[in-house]
Amino acid sequence: EDQVTQSPEALRLQEGESSSLNCSYTVSGLRGLFWYRQDPGKGPEFLFTLYSAGEEKEKERLKATLTKKESFLHITAPKPEDSATYLCAVQARETSGSRLTFGEGTQLTVNP
Amino acid sequence: GAVVSQHPSRVICKSGTSVKIECRSLDFQATTMFWYRQFPKKSLMLMATSNEGSKATYEQGVEKDKFLINHASLTLSTLTVTSAHPEDSSFYICSAREGLAGVTGFGPGTRLLVL
Repeated sequence: EDQVTQSPEALRLQEGESSSLNCSYTVSGLRGLFWYRQDPGKGPEFLFTLYSAGEEKEKERLKATLTKKESFLHITAPKPEDSATYLCAVQARETSGSRLTFGEGTQLTVNP
Repeated sequence: GAVVSQHPSRVICKSGTSVKIECRSLDFQATTMFWYRQFPKKSLMLMATSNEGSKATYEQGVEKDKFLINHASLTLSTLTVTSAHPEDSSFYICSAREGLAGVTGFGPGTRLLVL
């Protein structure tokens, strides 16, 4: 069974204080690992897809990396508008329908 | 790309009534659509997967007769909560994907409150 564990559950940062969110996963053949951002009362917003160990992707203050067991979402010099819940999900190659298995998310709060 | 809409965004209904939620892919053809339920401060719980023209596949513990899913076209799927009860109150989110490897887009969610 595919499993995704995110840590920490919640993280409070001061504006400009860089940090990383962790996503550990077990999956029988990874098709892709996804990062989403979710604001309260809204649907998840796509950030990145990573397909193989060693891959990295960047978007503004965010950078996602992938190993064979985990992924990190690095946030550099965050701003209050980066406050949100960040969700990690994996997609297995052979899963029927290739559904996503989500972690519980990390709730990030960036204080001004 | 992968823009998904949901309607309505919020619905309040009386216990015992049925509620239909629509999910549309706006800029692509969604061969697969997914329906999730999300409880406060919790992650997304997959309810069912549907492929266009086929019956939905429900996750264990999800009542298929209570949560009716129709995926009649490549751009539209509907979730009908039949005979809704207060415990069905939740945030329902759909997602859609083109093919197996395309980006999965998510709808903005529907807040259901059953009185």
